[in-house]
Amino acid sequence: AQSVAQPEDQVNVAEGNPLTVKCTYSVSGNPYLFWYVQYPNRGLQFLLKYITGDNLVKGSYGFEAEFNKSQTSFHLKKPSALVSDSALYFCAVSRTTDSWGKLQFGAGTQVVVTP
Amino acid sequence: DGGITQSPKYLFRKEGQNVTLSCEQNLNHDAMYWYRQDPGQGLRLIYYSQIVNDFQKGDIAEGYSVSREKKESFPLTVTSAQKNPTAFYLCASGRTTEAFFGQGTRLTVV
Repeated sequence: AQSVAQPEDQVNVAEGNPLTVKCTYSVSGNPYLFWYVQYPNRGLQFLLKYITGDNLVKGSYGFEAEFNKSQTSFHLKKPSALVSDSALYFCAVSRTTDSWGKLQFGAGTQVVVTP
Repeated sequence: DGGITQSPKYLFRKEGQNVTLSCEQNLNHDAMYWYRQDPGQGLRLIYYSQIVNDFQKGDIAEGYSVSREKKESFPLTVTSAQKNPTAFYLCASGRTTEAFFGQGTRLTVV
């Protein structure tokens, strides 16, 4: 069975500092990994995905993620955080390749960026 | 604009009543999904449909029902059998390698 773990309930960072949100996964077969962001009382916005290819994936709003097969990790990063990056972040893995929206989500990590 | 529309944004229901949440998409996606979000638990899959007139149960289908009579529409009914219906409900549609989410419906049982 596929699973995703986000070990931190909350990450606090000062504006301008690097931001990292951690994600580890457990899948059978090739992992198809995603990051989404959610603002209060809103739906999820897609940030980036890893399907195949380069281990460093670049996404929306200056975010990137590094796929590490040996450590089964897919950490989300941003070199310089903004106050507007404060939101709830979800890591997810696709459970099948014939239905890409059938996702297994982590519990989410609340990011708080202080001015 | 293309996208996924969920309505209403907020919904209140009395215990023992059924209620239907609307989800419409104009992205021409074949697949559609319903997720439930509770604090600290991430999103859990309720039902999904990969094609019109066909749908499958997800991880927490008990107390819910769906229909898929049109490609654009995938309504979710929360029945009185659902023990803890108060939650945030998200609809999504999918294409190759990506899923798009609606803005959600917050259901509160009063």
